[in-house]
Parts: sequence; structure tokens; C-alpha cells
Amino acid sequence: KAGVTQTPRYLIKTRGQQVTLSCSPISGHRSVSWYQQTPGQGLQFLFEYFSETQRNKGNFPGRFSGRQFSNSRSEMNVSTLELGDSALYLCASSLGTSGTSYNEQFFGPGTRLTVL
Amino acid sequence: GNSVTQMEGPVTLSEEAFLTINCTYTATGYPSLFWYVQYPGEGLQLLLKATKADDKGSNKGFEATYRKETTSFHLEKGSVQVSDSAVYFCALSDDNQGGKLIFGQGTELSVKP
Repeated sequence: KAGVTQTPRYLIKTRGQQVTLSCSPISGHRSVSWYQQTPGQGLQFLFEYFSETQRNKGNFPGRFSGRQFSNSRSEMNVSTLELGDSALYLCASSLGTSGTSYNEQFFGPGTRLTVL
Repeated sequence: GNSVTQMEGPVTLSEEAFLTINCTYTATGYPSLFWYVQYPGEGLQLLLKATKADDKGSNKGFEATYRKETTSFHLEKGSVQVSDSAVYFCALSDDNQGGKLIFGQGTELSVKP
């Protein structure tokens, strides 16, 4: 079974631009979560999408947004980029359904965004 | 809100040494607890998990026990190898849907031959 894929792997943008990152989950997974990883703040949860609806949201400004398509693929968008947005953006997929067993999150390799 | 605190790194050990990485958490309810590992240039991989108090998660020689009385989930390995060099993250999830993880700050482990 193919793992979680993220595109592009590396991206360089300048301040003020916007960027869109893509994540393809494992087949059959309906939940996609996004995380930002920086040396200073560590791993922080951005948001989670399940069946095309945002189900959980972290504490990030409105410049960070996302969406999920009917095939569970997800995109996240960052508008008006700032230098502090430079980070590794990780997405993770899981079954996402309720139950007594934990639904493990499987992570992609990440997209390294550099803002100049 | 929920949070995870883990010991700061980097931790440097010689091969075959004993490893402990401390992790404590603050949470309402009964979260599930996890250890993830990140190798250079890669995403995170689930190392082990425990979903209720007194559960012991184990994998690849690593172990951690969910201690509700001390709100801890310390990672241990009896004999580390050079290939264990990586960054280790303790995390919690307060829902079984699996959508949101709260991570500790990560502990870098370097194992020397």
C-alpha cells in the first residue's frame, strides 16, 4: 500500500507570496491532518480534515487554510507569506473514524518551505 | 489545555548503553500516548503507543509504560545502537478519531560507536 505523499518536497518563496501544498493520503484513509515543524516551536497542529470538512483546528492565523477533496486528497494554503512561515510542513493520514481503537496517523515526508 | 513535556536534548550515548527519555503530560480525560521517531530528512514514524493506564507499548526493543499516577510515559531501551540515532517525540491524542496530536519538543539522540 502506498504511503502518504506530499508535493512538492521543497519550495522557496518570497515574503508576501502565497503557497499551496498538497497531500495524498493512504488509500482508504479519510482523515488528513497538517502540522508545522520549526526548530523554535517544534511540531504544532494546524488543522484536520475529515470527509471534506474541517474537524479540528489549531491556533494559527487565518492566513493558513486548507481543504479536502472528495478523494481525500488535501491541500493547505498559506497566504501573505512571512519569514516565520519557513518550516517543514507535515501531513498525516488516518482512518479517522470513531471507535475504541486508536486510529494511527501515518506521516508523509513533508514539504520544506523556505520564505526569503 | 493539553500539553506534553519531554527532556531536552541532545542526548549522546555510547553503543549498548541504556536509554531513558522522560516524558510527562497534562491532559483532561484519558488520552492515548505515543512515541514517534524522526530520522534525518524523513517524516515521523510511530514507534509505540499506549491507549490506557498501565499499558506498556513496545517495539524494536523500545518500551514505555502509561503511568496515570505520575502522568508520565518515559521511553526506555536496554541497549542502543548507532542506528537508533534520531529525534524522538512524545505525543498525546485526546480523541480516538486520531486527527490531532500534541507533541513534546523532541529529544535528539546520538549514539556513538
